[in-house]
Amino acid sequence: AQKVTQAQTEISVVEKEDVTLDCVYETRDTTYYLFWYKQPPSGELVFLIRRNSFDEQNEISGRYSWNFQKSTSSFNFTITASQVVDSAVYFCALSYAGGTSYGKLTFGQGTILTVHP
Amino acid sequence: DAGITQSPRHKVTETGTPVTLRCHQTENHRYMYWYRQDPGHGLRLIHYSYGVKDTDKGEVSDGYSVSRSKTEDFLLTLESATSSQTSVYFCAIGGYNSNQPQHFGDGTRLSIL
Repeated sequence: AQKVTQAQTEISVVEKEDVTLDCVYETRDTTYYLFWYKQPPSGELVFLIRRNSFDEQNEISGRYSWNFQKSTSSFNFTITASQVVDSAVYFCALSYAGGTSYGKLTFGQGTILTVHP
Repeated sequence: DAGITQSPRHKVTETGTPVTLRCHQTENHRYMYWYRQDPGHGLRLIHYSYGVKDTDKGEVSDGYSVSRSKTEDFLLTLESATSSQTSVYFCAIGGYNSNQPQHFGDGTRLSIL
């Protein structure tokens, strides 16, 4: 069975601080995908990134960066110089990459990030 | 937008009544999913579809049924709604490859009194 754990239920920071959201996963599959989604206060879910289990390179996109470490089964998300608009719920998710997965996602519980001005 | 429309967006109903939520897509994607979002649980998969008339159960399927009679529509039915089914329901569509990122509709907030 797959499991995703986001141990930080809520994080509160002041604008311009860096913040890291933790994600730890469990799976017996050797090929899988990891995802991050953002849910702003308006409620929609926005796709941020997908990472293949074979690709452990870190990724940076503007103020966002992701650190994938298979050795610790972690896929952490860092926001540099946070802004008020980053306030949202962030979800980490996992999907088996095999042909029978049908793309089903297993989500973590979510981390509520509040960035204060 | 990924071309996903959920209806209704909000619904309040009473225990024991049937409820049907609709997900409509204009992307011609093969894969469609229903999730529910509850505090402390993130999103959990209810049912999914991998083609017309091809559906299967997810993690929390008890009390729910689905139907997909055409590519663009995926219906979620609560045959006899219970208060434990009060939740926010999200429909998602996948790409032509099942491992492409899913894109989500705006959600349906369902309250069962």
